[in-house]
Amino acid sequence: DAMVIQNPRYQVTQFGKPVTLSCSQTLNHNVMYWYQQKSSQAPKLLFHYYDKDFNNEADTPDNFQSRRPNTSFCFLDIRSPGLGDAAMYLCATSVDGTGVDEQFFGPGTRLTVL
Amino acid sequence: DQQVKQNSPSLSVQEGRISILNCDYTNSMFDYFLWYKKYPAEGPTFLISISSIKDKNEDGRFTVFLNKSAKHLSLHIVPSQPGDSAVYFCAARTEYALNFGKGTSLLVTP
Repeated sequence: DAMVIQNPRYQVTQFGKPVTLSCSQTLNHNVMYWYQQKSSQAPKLLFHYYDKDFNNEADTPDNFQSRRPNTSFCFLDIRSPGLGDAAMYLCATSVDGTGVDEQFFGPGTRLTVL
Repeated sequence: DQQVKQNSPSLSVQEGRISILNCDYTNSMFDYFLWYKKYPAEGPTFLISISSIKDKNEDGRFTVFLNKSAKHLSLHIVPSQPGDSAVYFCAARTEYALNFGKGTSLLVTP
């Protein structure tokens, strides 16, 4: 089945220790998104790629970076995680970001910062 | 600022009755509205959408109503089933971005 896969499902890191979260898709969609969802909060868009074009949200901290080496994979790098970065990180894809363009979500990676 | 608001964190409904989930928004530039359903340990899955030029969209047991003048939309589930128990997120789209509400946890009891 075509899907959005996120690895790992649970990630524990230490304060200040860089961490990378992974997302892959078999849908061959052009757009890939990263959302951060803190407990009892709405998912918040961090950035997205349209193909290789990177689009950062204005309020995304510099501590968060992303890479998309090919259509299938997208990575979220947190350079120096703080306690406030503990959250669920959701990856999503969509065909082209226009019209109703449903976004397909992965199961998420729950990040714990010790 | 939260542009999409779901003011009811939770809702409990008996099986067979109607579930009504509400959502308010502030940005009149939103062009599409979507509802997502989320089960524990899974990502949100798309449920139903509505364009800003329409006031109703129906898909089986699910109907979404849009009141643009009030900046309000609602999701109706009729009849409600225990398998509908999940967190429901309202989302509004402008350009590429989806702006989500905080979600409403629906519990359908037998």
